[in-house]
Amino acid sequence: ETGVTQSPTHLIKTRGQQVTLRCSSQSGHNTVSWYQQALGQGPQFIFQYYREEENGRGNFPPRFSGLQFPNYSSELNVNALELDDSALYLCALSSQINRGRETQYFGPGTRLLVL
Amino acid sequence: LAKTTQPISMDSYEGQEVNITCSHNNIATNDYITWYQQFPSQGPRFIIQGYKTKVTNEVASLFIPADRKSSTLSLPRVSLSDTAVYYCLVALDSNYQLIWGAGTKLIIKP
Repeated sequence: ETGVTQSPTHLIKTRGQQVTLRCSSQSGHNTVSWYQQALGQGPQFIFQYYREEENGRGNFPPRFSGLQFPNYSSELNVNALELDDSALYLCALSSQINRGRETQYFGPGTRLLVL
Repeated sequence: LAKTTQPISMDSYEGQEVNITCSHNNIATNDYITWYQQFPSQGPRFIIQGYKTKVTNEVASLFIPADRKSSTLSLPRVSLSDTAVYYCLVALDSNYQLIWGAGTKLIIKP
């Protein structure tokens, strides 16, 4: 049990719409990373937040944006949804920034379907 | 551009030792290697992490040769519950890109 919660668990949107996904935990981990996992593939790093600022970003366009709040909860926002955005979105919490050396605790993910 | 490569799938039997190898080209001196396990409809779960030589914990061992161009996850005496997808992850110290492999689907048979 990771203690990391994500909401909603499933979501259906249409092309061009916007979506907000949420991640939270009571554990006090101060670093959050977001990943996109297409069916049958490994997770792709979107970005990471630490102290409410973006700290590292993968190869995703600016329409993918995020927020981290003082209580360490986080949001992933995706604008102008495309069909290829259909995937499982995972958030992962960790306790320090040390270039990936920290253990990441993943939530169960949000399954997004774009029609 | 760094990339990790793993076998797509592997089969084994209960009680056997399973070794899964990940190839990672262009790995730099300070890049760490981490392995995660993922069950269907769940997020990945940390297994083990290493930098060089050998690391062992209560569930697995990680072997990294001197050239660090590959790493091998070793699962001793597997059980049916070890059936899952196993991911190799390299964290690039240069730009904090997290490079995941496509995963190895491990199926354990009775």
